[in-house]
Amino acid sequence: TAGITQAPTSQILAAGRSMTLRCTQDMRHNAMYWYRQDLGLGLRLIHYSNTAGTTGKGEVPDGYSVSRANTDDFPLTLASAVPSQTSVYFCASSDIQGGNNEQFFGPGTRLTVL
Amino acid sequence: GQNIDQPTEMTATEGAIVQINCTYQTSGFNGLFWYQQHAGEAPTFLSYNVLDGLEEKGRFSSFLSRSKGYSYLLLKELQMKDSASYLCAVRDSNYQLIWGAGTKLIIKP
Repeated sequence: TAGITQAPTSQILAAGRSMTLRCTQDMRHNAMYWYRQDLGLGLRLIHYSNTAGTTGKGEVPDGYSVSRANTDDFPLTLASAVPSQTSVYFCASSDIQGGNNEQFFGPGTRLTVL
Repeated sequence: GQNIDQPTEMTATEGAIVQINCTYQTSGFNGLFWYQQHAGEAPTFLSYNVLDGLEEKGRFSSFLSRSKGYSYLLLKELQMKDSASYLCAVRDSNYQLIWGAGTKLIIKP
């Protein structure tokens, strides 16, 4: 199985432009998450979804939006990118109904906003 | 506020043992995770502790003391491939993970 896939792998984006980062999982996990990872900081939660049709705000949601139309997909949209959104973005998923609910991560998207 | 502290960087020798500490202050506690992250790659799950004590998994062990807000990850028989960052994360009362900044472990031959 592929697990979690993210696209694109990397992107350079002009400030003010919009962009959608894609995330798809094939593990039928109910919960999905978007994090950003910046040098010297821990992973910070942007948005999450505990089940299809619901979403919630994390620690740093401003400037980002998400949707969860189905179980597998959880896209992250930047409506008008700013340089401070330059980061590595990780999508993750977990099965919150069983086990220790560990999160599985996608390979990441490296985004540079100029 | 919520806070996870771990050393920024550690160096160890191949074949040796290293202990990476993590202290936390969070709003609630529902388990502590350790993840490994190689440079340029995604974090991968290593261990989970929810009760006090030691969890052993091969060369890796993780310890938890909830009363002290303290955990450590113990890596034995270090190999060059263990060079990576090790991330400590606590699941808080909202069942969200709060992450430390990670400890970069450098293994020298």
